[in-house]
Amino acid sequence: AQSVTQLDSQVPVFEEAPVELRCNYSSSVSVYLFWYVQYPNQGLQLLLKYLSGSTLVESINGFEAEFNKSQTSFHLRKPSVHISDTAEYFCAVRMDTGRRALTFGSGTRLQVQP
Amino acid sequence: NAGVTQTPKFRILKIGQSMTLQCAQDMNHNYMYWYRQDPGMGLKLIYYSVGAGITDKGEVPNGYNVSRSTTEDFPLRLELAAPSQTSVYFCASSYGTDTYGYTFGSGTRLTVV
Repeated sequence: AQSVTQLDSQVPVFEEAPVELRCNYSSSVSVYLFWYVQYPNQGLQLLLKYLSGSTLVESINGFEAEFNKSQTSFHLRKPSVHISDTAEYFCAVRMDTGRRALTFGSGTRLQVQP
Repeated sequence: NAGVTQTPKFRILKIGQSMTLQCAQDMNHNYMYWYRQDPGMGLKLIYYSVGAGITDKGEVPNGYNVSRSTTEDFPLRLELAAPSQTSVYFCASSYGTDTYGYTFGSGTRLTVV
């Protein structure tokens, strides 16, 4: 079965510092990978996704993630965070075969401090 | 452009009671999903549907039922509420396959006492 591991439950960081949120997955077949963001008391919103092609994908608000097949990772990075980036971030995976639904990681709470 | 609408937003149930969580989308999405979110556990798939009349179990279906009689609606039924069903429930939909990404509702916070 596929699974997603987010190693850090909380990541505190100061404003304008860089950040990396880690995500590893387990699957023996091709995968599609996603990052979602959840602001307090809201549903999840799609941040970025990897389906195929270039292994580096970017979002409109400065986040990027790199698909690394050999390390089965899809880490999320931002070179300079803002207070408004404070939220919970979820990595998700879907295999190319099997159940047509996403499997989510346990989430990482990003806390940006002034 | 309402997107995915969930009702109610909050509900307190007594053990053994039943209720239906409503979910409606107006984007003509074929795929719809129910997840529950527990602290530190991420989201767990309860049921999903790939089109009207078609539903399938997810990771944690016990204690729940669903139906999909129309493209727009995907209600989730709790027959005999238990404290273990205290959670935040999210409905989501997607166009085509889920590789397009999900649109989530704002959630229903359910407490069973």
